[in-house]
This record gives sequence, structure tokens and C-alpha cells, in this order.
Amino acid sequence: GAVVSQHPSWVICKSGTSVKIECRSLDFQATTMFWYRQFPKQSLMLMATSNEGSKATYEQGVEKDKFLINHASLTLSTLTVTSAHPEDSSFYICSASGTLSGADTQYFGPGTRLTVL
Amino acid sequence: QKEVEQNSGPLSVPEGAIASLNCTYSDRGSQSFFWYRQYSGKSPELIMFIYSNGDKEDGRFTAQLNKASQYVSLLIRDSQPSDSATYLCAVNPHYGGSQGNLIFGKGTKLSVKP
Repeated sequence: GAVVSQHPSWVICKSGTSVKIECRSLDFQATTMFWYRQFPKQSLMLMATSNEGSKATYEQGVEKDKFLINHASLTLSTLTVTSAHPEDSSFYICSASGTLSGADTQYFGPGTRLTVL
Repeated sequence: QKEVEQNSGPLSVPEGAIASLNCTYSDRGSQSFFWYRQYSGKSPELIMFIYSNGDKEDGRFTAQLNKASQYVSLLIRDSQPSDSATYLCAVNPHYGGSQGNLIFGKGTKLSVKP
């Protein structure tokens, strides 16, 4: 139980293009999904929190027009990095809220490694 | 500002020893506490959680909670090289917010030497 998938697992794109990352909760429904970014040897950084059917809440310093989040259903959230630049290269990880372990917590997807050339 | 503090390490222990990872939190009203493990280049995975003061054991892992001291720890018995990873402490703040809202520490890097 509590399986979260992400697609793609890695992507290489040219500067200026847009990249969409999908996050799915496979065996449970998630009211809330979270998007994180992690640079090498650094800690997780929360980018935004999204609740199904409503607009995402972005953390301070995260550009909402650059990182578009859509949470259209209880099992799917997408992150689109628009007009990507090399500084956007990072490890993007989503998580989904759930209580399968008996506690209200987060279950993480395997992550998507983005490289912008 | 709600905070979760961890020593960044690295914490180095010999194989077979007990590794002790510590975490303090600032929100006295926090109700639930979680430990995640993150291998290099991978995403975090949930190890265990604890609600009540005292100890909770799961295999080689024991979580300890002391709400009066606002302190939670993770003990790993018979440490193995495969336990080498970064361990993240997370706290569910009492003010709620979105379901699954957690405050994460920056993690402690553990290295188990053969």
C-alpha cells in the first residue's frame, strides 16, 4: 500500500522548453499532494502544496507562473516547469498525503531528475 | 516559525553498533512524529512514526519521544552498512493545515563503517 509513482523518472531538455512531471497515488486517494525540489547534497525544499480541485499554495520564493501545478483528481497531480533554464536542473519529488500507516503523513514518489541543457 | 532541528552529521558508527539520531522541535503542540530514510539520489521513505511518550520498536528501529523536552530520537540497533543514508525527522504541527502537512528537519547523514 501507499505507492506513489512519478513520470518521467528522468528528463533532459533544452533551455526554453517546458517539462511536465506527473505524480500519481496508485493505491490510495490523496486529498493533498506536495512538490519538493532537492539540489545535490542539499535538503528537501518544499515548493508547493496542492489540494484536489483548488489552486496550489506556493512557498515563498517559488514562482507560481514558472512552476505550474494542477491537481485535477485525488490520484493525479502535475508539475510543469515552464521555459526551463539550466538553474532549474534538480531532483523534483512529489509526495501524497495519506493515513495508510495509521498516521496522517506523506508518501513520496521516486522523484524526477531534470537536466536542462 | 515552526522548526525541526537535527544535527547534520555525518554520524559515523561501526557495523553492529547502535546508531542514535536525535531531533528537537519547537511546536509544543505537535502530535505526531515521523522518521524517514533517504538514500543518496533517492526519495525519502517512511520508516516509522510515534505519537505517545516513550519508546516504539519496529525490528531494529526504536523511536523515542519525550514531549516535555520536545525531543524525538531514532535508535538503530546492529547497524549495517546498508543503513548508511540521511535520516529525516518530520513533525505534524498541531495547527493542522492541509492533510499530511509536515515540517521536516534537514536530516542527519549516517555512515556505518564495515
